[in-house]
Amino acid sequence: EAGVAQSPRYKIIEKRQSVAFWCNPISGHATLYWYQQILGQGPKLLIQFQNNGVVDDSQLPKDRFSAERLKGVDSTLKIQPAKLEDSAVYLCASSLVSGGASGEQFFGPGTRLTVL
Amino acid sequence: GNSVTQMEGPVTLSEEAFLTINCTYTATGYPSLFWYVQYPGEGLQLLLKATKADDKGSNKGFEATYRKETTSFHLEKGSVQVSDSAVYFCALTSNTGGFKTIFGAGTRLFVKA
Repeated sequence: EAGVAQSPRYKIIEKRQSVAFWCNPISGHATLYWYQQILGQGPKLLIQFQNNGVVDDSQLPKDRFSAERLKGVDSTLKIQPAKLEDSAVYLCASSLVSGGASGEQFFGPGTRLTVL
Repeated sequence: GNSVTQMEGPVTLSEEAFLTINCTYTATGYPSLFWYVQYPGEGLQLLLKATKADDKGSNKGFEATYRKETTSFHLEKGSVQVSDSAVYFCALTSNTGGFKTIFGAGTRLFVKA
């Protein structure tokens, strides 16, 4: 079974530029998550989708971050414009809806973003 | 709101030593509790979980018991190996409001041969 795919793996940009990350979850997983992991901290949920719909985006900085999940499969996370404090690893994860609160999340390898 | 607190690292142990990584939580309702592990150069993966009070999760020699009375989910292993060197994250998923997951800050473990 293929895992969660993310691209690119690494990205370096200047502040005020824009950047986009792509995620392809495990086939059949209706729930998709984007996390931000700053060095030395645990992952922080940015947005959670169930199929096409947003379940939680309370910690997404909506003035600069946006995310979409067209057709309930792939997802894209965008930052525009980027700030220095956005330097982090962006993790995508997916899970089965039927797992509920006890469901395991499967993580991709992450995209390491450096903003100069 | 919900939160997870882990002991700070790094933790450095010799091979075959006993490991405890403390984790306490604050949550409303009855969350599920997890330990995820991140080996060097790899993504996070589930190590073990427990979904209700007094449940014990176990995997690869690691164990953790869901203690509601002390709101804790400490990770233990009787004899660590060099290959256990990794970062360990305690996490909870609430069973209300869309199953939101909160992670602790992580504890880095170094095991010396």
